[in-house]
Amino acid sequence: ILNVEQSPQSLHVQEGDSTNFTCSFPSSNFYALHWYRWETAKSPEALFVMTLNGDEKKKGRISATLNTKEGYSYLYIKGSQPEDSATYLCAFENLRAGTALIFGKGTTLSVSS
Amino acid sequence: DSGVTQTPKHLITATGQRVTLRCSPRSGDLSVYWYQQSLDQGLQFLIQYYNGEERAKGNILERFSAQQFPDLHSELNLSSLELGDSALYFCASSTSPNEQFFGPGTRLTVL
Repeated sequence: ILNVEQSPQSLHVQEGDSTNFTCSFPSSNFYALHWYRWETAKSPEALFVMTLNGDEKKKGRISATLNTKEGYSYLYIKGSQPEDSATYLCAFENLRAGTALIFGKGTTLSVSS
Repeated sequence: DSGVTQTPKHLITATGQRVTLRCSPRSGDLSVYWYQQSLDQGLQFLIQYYNGEERAKGNILERFSAQQFPDLHSELNLSSLELGDSALYFCASSTSPNEQFFGPGTRLTVL
């Protein structure tokens, strides 16, 4: 069974705070790690796809790192804004499972102004 | 807007019934994936089609089936519905192996 674990389950921060979440995944047969942002009443939106150990991706105030040897990825948000409030999902692609994504349960971020 | 469309948006039905969910992928995308989001569960992969053929299967119940048509739209058929089948069903499409675009989902409620 391939499990993707995300922590924390939920997080509440103040506007301007920086924060980070963790995604843990099986390190064997790794193919790719995805981060999605999912706002209430909308569909998941892709943030990053990372494939190489040591990958770092950045989009505005959001960045992510990847360690495939130890099986974890971090998502960082710098200077959180209320519009960053959403559930952040990570998903793992495994060589044996083809291109289907195995999702964690997500970290729900709430940013107060 | 991801370019993936799903209909209907909401569906309410009774136990024992059968429903069909429809998905139109982004223009040019050959792969279609179906996912289920139940209460307290993460998105669970159900099944993938590529250019009309089944490519991968996840935790899909035998009561569920899917197909992809020549115009690349896909349908997910759910039969003998049970209360536990109530969930949000997402369709996603992709061209490259690495990026999937999600539709708005169909919320199924089984009473």
